[in-house]
Parts: sequence; C-alpha cells; structure tokens
Amino acid sequence: AQSVAQPEDQVNVAEGNPLTVKCTYSVSGNPYLFWYVQYPNRGLQFLLKYITGDNLVKGSYGFEAEFNKSQTSFHLKKPSALVSDSALYFCAVRDRGGSQGNLIFGKGTKLSVKP
Amino acid sequence: DAGVTQSPTHLIKTRGQQVTLRCSPKSGHDTVSWYQQALGQGPQFIFQYYEEEERQRGNFPDRFSGHQFPNYSSELNVNALLLGDSALYLCASSFGRGSEAFFGQGTRLTVV
Repeated sequence: AQSVAQPEDQVNVAEGNPLTVKCTYSVSGNPYLFWYVQYPNRGLQFLLKYITGDNLVKGSYGFEAEFNKSQTSFHLKKPSALVSDSALYFCAVRDRGGSQGNLIFGKGTKLSVKP
Repeated sequence: DAGVTQSPTHLIKTRGQQVTLRCSPKSGHDTVSWYQQALGQGPQFIFQYYEEEERQRGNFPDRFSGHQFPNYSSELNVNALLLGDSALYLCASSFGRGSEAFFGQGTRLTVV
C-alpha cells in the first residue's frame, strides 16, 4: 500500500536560517512526488513536483526538494526562511504506474518561522 | 483564470441530513478529485471523476457519492450525515497523468 510519512509534527526555524521539512514515501512502483502548502482555512497550494529527471527540483517561493530513490525520501528545503513561510506543509505521492489517480498525503508538518 | 472554485465556503447541517457540495475545475482541466480533510489531518481521497464517470474511489462509504457534468464541474453528495463527517472538503482538478492537482479553497462542513 502507498504511504507517506512526515516524521515531524512541527519544525521551528529562525528567519534567515535554512529550513528542511522531511518526507519519506512508500509505493509499489516509481512515484510522482509533490509538496503543497496550506495557510489557515485555505485550500492547498502547489509548491513543486518530481516526475523524472534531475533529483533536485526547484519550485515556488524559493523552495526546492531533493528526490532520493535509495532512501525513498523527498525532503523540502529552503536556503533562507521567511516569517511568511509559516504554514502547514504536506508531502504527497502518486503511484506512476496507476491511473491518474489519487494523491496520498502525509499528515502534514507545521512550519513556524520566528523573526 | 479563476482556478478551482468551490461552493459554498461554509455549511452547517444537522445529523441525518443530506448535503451537496459543488466544484468548478480550473480551465482546461478534465479530472476532478474530492478529498476530506479532518482537523489536524492530511487530506483523504474520496473519489475521482473523469469523463463523467467515477474512475477511482477511496475508502469511504456509499453515503458519499458524486457526479461530473459535461462541462467538467462536479458535485459531492453526502447522505445521512454523521458528526464525524465534519471536515474541510477539498476539490482538486488536474489534466494528464503527471500533472499537479490544483485545489479549491474548500468547503467547511459542520454537522451538529
């Protein structure tokens, strides 16, 4: 069965410092991987995706993520955090071999960036 | 482009009632998926519609049903509401196998 794990419920970072939000996944085949961000009482906003190719993926708002097949990880990173980055972050996976089907989400990681 | 739009934004229903939520996909998208997000949880897949048919379904009871119209818009219906159905219901649209899904702002359903 497909699954996504986000091992940290919350990540605290000082503004200007680098941030990492961790994600590991389990799928039967090769994955499509996604990161989304959710602000309070809002839907999810797409940040970036890994489909194929370069393992380092660059996305919106200065975020990037590194796909590591051997460790089945897809950690989200940003070199310099902003207070406005504070939000709930979700990692999601879709089985490449399946239909254009459902996303499996992690439980989310709350990012708090302090001034 | 208005993106994915959902209506209503908030809804309060009584146990046992029925509810219909609506979604208009992003322009050019032909696939609509529905997710339920309980408080403090990640979204859980309910079902997906493509070419007016349910293509895939998650682990939700038959009380949850849906429809997709020729213009690709979609409805989610929930019958015999339970207190546990209280959640944020998210609609997502997409086009193509590897494409990202775009989400609406959600409908907050409260069952009392």
